[in-house]
Amino acid sequence: QVQLQESGPGLVKPSETLSLTCAVSGGSISPHYWTWIRQSPEKGLEWIAYIYYTGTTNYNPSLKSRVTISLDTSKNQFSLKLTSVTAADTAVYYCARGGGWWSIWGQGTMVTVSS
Amino acid sequence: QSALTQPASVSGSPGQSITISCTGTSSDVGAFNYVSWYQQHPGKAPKLIIYDVNNRPSGISDRFSGSKSGNTASLTISGLQAEDEADYYCCSYTSSSTPYVFGTGTKVTVL
Repeated sequence: QVQLQESGPGLVKPSETLSLTCAVSGGSISPHYWTWIRQSPEKGLEWIAYIYYTGTTNYNPSLKSRVTISLDTSKNQFSLKLTSVTAADTAVYYCARGGGWWSIWGQGTMVTVSS
Repeated sequence: QSALTQPASVSGSPGQSITISCTGTSSDVGAFNYVSWYQQHPGKAPKLIIYDVNNRPSGISDRFSGSKSGNTASLTISGLQAEDEADYYCCSYTSSSTPYVFGTGTKVTVL
């Protein structure tokens, strides 16, 4: 069955860029939506962005100026970049399959923003 | 966009039924039949248990059911079991600038 696995640094310094990748195994990138969601004690669950297999994207307006989501179909993976991070971006980051509801999730990766 | 409102905690004895509410507005829960529910055990990723208000994904027990009335969606767990002890979150599509909003989360305790 389809599995998702997040990867990336667990510690990012303030003002730097957070970069995460989600590897998709057991299935194809197409014809699905792929989403990033984060969870913190302060904000709870927060939808970040999605990308359709065609490349169409949609971003949370509160993060839009700092976020980029992209696809690499040759590697069957998609990625998240969040620039100018602050402590408020500390959270568990999940990748998931779906556009409006999410039936497959990665295990999540904890990202801490600290110097 | 404010989070959907859920009770912080709900509890019940094994075998009982409990209902978790998820209150939004006429811009989200009340406007669309796109409410989903997720179960999350400690240290685990959320798991989809209801989508589009009252649909269960394959493999989800029929003890879980969803409904909606006005601006409030509800998740009912019948025949409560120890394994149901977890956090539960609702989510709705919205007409605001942020397309999806989650609920504040409810901790279910099986007594």
